[in-house]
Amino acid sequence: DGGITQSPKYLFRKEGQNVTLSCEQNLNHDAMYWYRQDPGQGLRLIYYSQIVNDFQKGDIAEGYSVSREKKESFPLTVTSAQKNPTAFYLCASSIMGRNTEAFFGQGTRLTVV
Amino acid sequence: AQSVTQLGSHVSVSEGALVLLRCNYSSSVPPYLFWYVQYPNQGLQLLLKYTTGATLVKGINGFEAEFKKSETSFHLTKPSAHMSDAAEYFCAVSRTNFGNEKLTFGTGTRLTIIP
Repeated sequence: DGGITQSPKYLFRKEGQNVTLSCEQNLNHDAMYWYRQDPGQGLRLIYYSQIVNDFQKGDIAEGYSVSREKKESFPLTVTSAQKNPTAFYLCASSIMGRNTEAFFGQGTRLTVV
Repeated sequence: AQSVTQLGSHVSVSEGALVLLRCNYSSSVPPYLFWYVQYPNQGLQLLLKYTTGATLVKGINGFEAEFKKSETSFHLTKPSAHMSDAAEYFCAVSRTNFGNEKLTFGTGTRLTIIP
């Protein structure tokens, strides 16, 4: 079945450590996105990529980094520079062009301990 | 720039009653509008979308929404609430320019169904 797979579902990190969240899709979508979700704030865009080896900052990119070496994969690294990393992270993908919607993974809940 | 305002962070309705979730948008270009649903600890699932054409859009699970340009609104409705409708709902707007389809989301409305 086609879809988006995020792993792990739950992740615990010690302060000062970097951690990488995985996102893989087999929908053959060109565009991929990372969102952060906090209670009462909706979804905020961290990074997005519309083509391999290219990506753009979203609204809250500070403290995060991404790569897009393959069309299917868009991993997100939460660095130690991110001051409040505890959140629910959602990966999404879409086709390019008009009349398009995003398809979401099941999310990764990151907790800093 | 595009933005979305969802009125009411929490809405409670009785089972069998009308569901109305409000969404107003701001967009400098003709908007594409979406409603997504999220169940606890899960990703978002598309309920329905408006792009062009018919302003009354029907979606999954009996939901529908009407695009009203004069009111800059895209409210979500369902005639009769079911217990399984309890979830969080997000309205989103997308730019229509090719190559920049990132979504701007509202802050969400949590729907509670009263038995």
